[in-house]
Amino acid sequence: GAVVSQHPSWVICKSGTSVKIECRSLDFQATTMFWYRQFPKQSLMLMATSNEGSKATYEQGVEKDKFLINHASLTLSTLTVTSAHPEDSSFYICSALNPQGGGYEQYFGPGTRLTVT
Amino acid sequence: GESVGLHLPTLSVQEGDNSIINCAYSNSASDYFIWYKQESGKGPQFIIDIRSNMDKRQGQRVTVLLNKTVKHLSLQIAATQPGDSAVYFCAENAGNQFYFGTGTSLTVIP
Repeated sequence: GAVVSQHPSWVICKSGTSVKIECRSLDFQATTMFWYRQFPKQSLMLMATSNEGSKATYEQGVEKDKFLINHASLTLSTLTVTSAHPEDSSFYICSALNPQGGGYEQYFGPGTRLTVT
Repeated sequence: GESVGLHLPTLSVQEGDNSIINCAYSNSASDYFIWYKQESGKGPQFIIDIRSNMDKRQGQRVTVLLNKTVKHLSLQIAATQPGDSAVYFCAENAGNQFYFGTGTSLTVIP
């Protein structure tokens, strides 16, 4: 089946630093990827939709200058959390739409746990 | 915004029994629905999906039922096993967006 990877799986950083998270579709090309964040015991919250070669579409309330998304290729999207603060600590999950499934099949990465100290 | 909600936040079942997890959705235009399983510290895992032109779809030990009249979705797990313990999310597809419910935590008692 389709595989999506994320790197790193866990990152601890100091407040004020920036962290980059990578999301890769390993065996298919994804023109559309999604970024979610998830707090403990809560559902996934969509942050932004990333389309290859164009600017990401951010959900209401998500600061685009703080959460930089780059989808430079059909297999890679990156999320950079700039000037991270403790409240940014969360589980960040990406997903990719597999076009072979008619564009509906969404495959998730394993997630990246960000801890800001 | 869209809302997809679950009736029961937690569910405990005896190993071997059948589990039923329910979900309500609000957008009558949604045409695709998915159930995901998420184990602790991991990303969601696709279980089964159903399109709006179907009422029922079966997989291996899982069945999804869709009632468009009352905007209700359910996931049935047959012969629940300890490995089924996880949080289950339903999601609806509206346009190119996916909206997730709050999740139901399923605990299987050996």
